[in-house]
Amino acid sequence: QVQLVQSGAEVKKPGASVKVSCKASGYTFTNYYMNWVRQAPGQGPEWMGVNNPSLGDTMYAQKFQGRVTFTTDTSTSTVYMELSSLRSEDTAIYYCAREGARGVIMADFWGQGTLVTVSS
Amino acid sequence: EIVLTQSPGNLSLSPGERATLSCRASQSVSSSYLAWYQQRPGQAPRLLIYGASTRATGIPDRFSGSGSGTDFTLTISRLEPEDFAVYYCQSYGSSPLYSFGQGTKLEIK
Repeated sequence: QVQLVQSGAEVKKPGASVKVSCKASGYTFTNYYMNWVRQAPGQGPEWMGVNNPSLGDTMYAQKFQGRVTFTTDTSTSTVYMELSSLRSEDTAIYYCAREGARGVIMADFWGQGTLVTVSS
Repeated sequence: EIVLTQSPGNLSLSPGERATLSCRASQSVSSSYLAWYQQRPGQAPRLLIYGASTRATGIPDRFSGSGSGTDFTLTISRLEPEDFAVYYCQSYGSSPLYSFGQGTKLEIK
């Protein structure tokens, strides 16, 4: 069965960086794009960008351009999301989500989420 | 940017009743590119409907989606206790690639 398992919760100080991992299993890793979505406390989800594990190309939401980087390790079927210059507004749950079909199915499977807390 | 506005923000109903949730887009959206997600407390969102009206795998037939252009609806025909959750509509566009509505919280009356 398809599973996306994310790394554990993080607490960071303002200005620091955080790197969240998402390990995929149960399907051919390089056949599906991976989206990253975050959700601040009490808010709706927010799309951050998408990663192509096969070719390594990425697309970032304009809001995060210059601060976010997606990388892939095909040997372990793991994708990573790194967010830099953290501020308190980045406190949120970060999800990886497998894209079922571009445009039609943004996310058919989700990771369990990683809580990132930014606090001095 | 496509802005999705969901209404109502909160909906209080009893088990067995019918729920009707609305999602209005700021510009026309292809029906192929409109989806609905359910999120229970402490859980990740779950895909319910894609292509405006196609149920995802394993989703009960009491859930149905409809609409076109700028107005879309999610209907739950007879509410079960596990249906009380937050529901989000989501669309595909250009920048950002994907947008979400602010959600409708369905509460037990």
